[in-house]
Amino acid sequence: GAVVSQHPSWVICKSGTSVKIECRSLDFQATTMFWYRQFPKQSLMLMATSNEGSKATYEQGVEKDKFLINHASLTLSTLTVTSAHPEDSSFYICSAQGLSNTEAFFGQGTRLTVV
Amino acid sequence: AQRVTQPEKLLSVFKGAPVELKCNYSYSGSPELFWYVQYSRQRLQLLLRHISRESIKGFTADLNKGETSFHLKKPFAQEEDSAMYYCALNNNQGGKLIFGQGTELSVKP
Repeated sequence: GAVVSQHPSWVICKSGTSVKIECRSLDFQATTMFWYRQFPKQSLMLMATSNEGSKATYEQGVEKDKFLINHASLTLSTLTVTSAHPEDSSFYICSAQGLSNTEAFFGQGTRLTVV
Repeated sequence: AQRVTQPEKLLSVFKGAPVELKCNYSYSGSPELFWYVQYSRQRLQLLLRHISRESIKGFTADLNKGETSFHLKKPFAQEEDSAMYYCALNNNQGGKLIFGQGTELSVKP
């Protein structure tokens, strides 16, 4: 199957700083990428959908100014958590979908800890 | 409202026993349903999708539109099946997936 890579796998940052998480599709062109947040032993909550070259669509309750998403190319989307606070600590997962099918391939996730 | 419900948070069975992970959905159109699996410390991966009607690792799932269910079944559980299982629905809006809460399957020796 197709490979989606997230970087970094884990990050610890100080409260008030910003953190950027990258999501790359390594062997296919991802027209759409999705960003999820997962709490321990809980489901994945969709945060936003990003389409290459256009603004991301955020789910209800997700602050677009706090979680900046950029999808500048067909192989890269980034999520920037701005002015991070401890309550933003979570596991962030991206998935990428190509044009030709509905299957979404998932990254390995990024564990963010804000101290 | 579009929703996926997995009523069991944890399912514990012994090796060799049959297993059924329940999934019910709420969707007004024709859904596309999936089962994803997340093994310990690994990424989420697709287990099976209802349109392909295939069996992966001995697991099968049948879409029952009358009962709005897509339960995942395996006749003889193995220890390596222990993982988190997520039922998901594609609402045909650009591939957006709606996930259930997940069921942790624990297969004891």
